[in-house]
Amino acid sequence: DGGITQSPKYLFRKEGQNVTLSCEQNLNHDAMYWYRQDPGQGLRLIYYSQIVNDFQKGDIAEGYSVSREKKESFPLTVTSAQKNPTAFYLCASSLLGGNQPQHFGDGTRLSIL
Amino acid sequence: AQKITQTQPGMFVQEKEAVTLDCTYDTSDQSYGLFWYKQPSSGEMIFLIYQGSYDEQNATEGRYSLNFQKARKSANLVISASQLGDSAMYFCAVYGGATNKLIFGTGTLLAVQP
Repeated sequence: DGGITQSPKYLFRKEGQNVTLSCEQNLNHDAMYWYRQDPGQGLRLIYYSQIVNDFQKGDIAEGYSVSREKKESFPLTVTSAQKNPTAFYLCASSLLGGNQPQHFGDGTRLSIL
Repeated sequence: AQKITQTQPGMFVQEKEAVTLDCTYDTSDQSYGLFWYKQPSSGEMIFLIYQGSYDEQNATEGRYSLNFQKARKSANLVISASQLGDSAMYFCAVYGGATNKLIFGTGTLLAVQP
């Protein structure tokens, strides 16, 4: 089945540790996105990519890094510089164009130990 | 800058009745798109419906329709014949060509009562 797979579903981070969230899609979408959702809030854009080997910062990129070495994959690293990383992280992909809906994975819930 | 306002933090509706979820937006783009997503308690975001700023007719998708009033910058979601499975958070979002980003509102929690 076509879709977006995020792993792991739950992740725990120790102080000072970097962690990487995986996002893979087999929808042949050019664009991929990472969002952060805090309790009772909407989604905020962290990073997005419209083509392999290129990506742009979103509204809250500080403390995060991404790579786009393959069309199918867009991993997000939460670095130790992100002081408040506890949140729900959602990955999405879409065809290019403003009228194209974004399709989301099931999310990763990150907590601090 | 773009902004989405959803003024209803939570709503109740009786099963089989219709419900309207409010959404107003602010954008300086001439061309933009409006989206509604559903987020069940499990967390995934499910795309429901899309309305383009130049579309003259209101969008419909099954039991979902979008009441688009461009002059008022309003894009309310109407769910007809509510079902228990419609209980979820609902998010309105706007996409502007100039910013190339989807901006989400804070959501409305809908509870469908039997």
